[in-house]
Amino acid sequence: DTEVTQTPKHLVMGMTNKKSLKCEQHMGHRAMYWYKQKAKKPPELMFVYSYEKLSINESVPSRFSPECPNSSLLNLHLHALQPEDSALYLCASSQGPGLAGSSSYNEQFFGPGTRLTVL
Amino acid sequence: DQQVKQNSPSLSVQEGRISILNCDYTNSMFDYFLWYKKYPAEGPTFLISISSIKDKNEDGRFTVFLNKSAKHLSLHIVPSQPGDSAVYFCAGTTSGTYKYIFGTGTRLKVLA
Repeated sequence: DTEVTQTPKHLVMGMTNKKSLKCEQHMGHRAMYWYKQKAKKPPELMFVYSYEKLSINESVPSRFSPECPNSSLLNLHLHALQPEDSALYLCASSQGPGLAGSSSYNEQFFGPGTRLTVL
Repeated sequence: DQQVKQNSPSLSVQEGRISILNCDYTNSMFDYFLWYKKYPAEGPTFLISISSIKDKNEDGRFTVFLNKSAKHLSLHIVPSQPGDSAVYFCAGTTSGTYKYIFGTGTRLKVLA
């Protein structure tokens, strides 16, 4: 199984709603990522979990709350979002970042994304 | 601060010819580079990578070249096929870290 799955595919929510995005992988990867991608822009890193612990938070507003219940699952809880938060949210996983100074890396595998629209 | 740049937002190539996609970077700490392909409404798909200790990596129709002194890499697709039509992102990273820095993408259109 070399897939990263994400649900739902599409989500429309109001600014007062609470919703969650889900991501799952069964490749035994120990690092999982959330990215945000706006139209015609590159993916931007939001959070990284490594061995189920939050490793990187790229100064993301607290209305986005990540959770890693186990090594295969990654959630992104959404609350009080703004219309400008509408974007494609991508989940990715990898074996890890490789050894520092080794010039090697473990590729990130991306899910299909959740298209989020905030009204 | 755009650490990875893809200066051509779009490229059109005839089927069967070579497609060359370019990428420039400024961060000299990057020691690993990757190319991803993205179709609409899908996540990016890993295509090919190259370590900074190499100057070329080949995988079937795809070859990536790295010129460290110029801080430039390129992706060659030969021969180009209509199914290659997609947005291509290059990314740079430093081994031992989790962060990829993506370029802005180049939309490739292969004409039949």
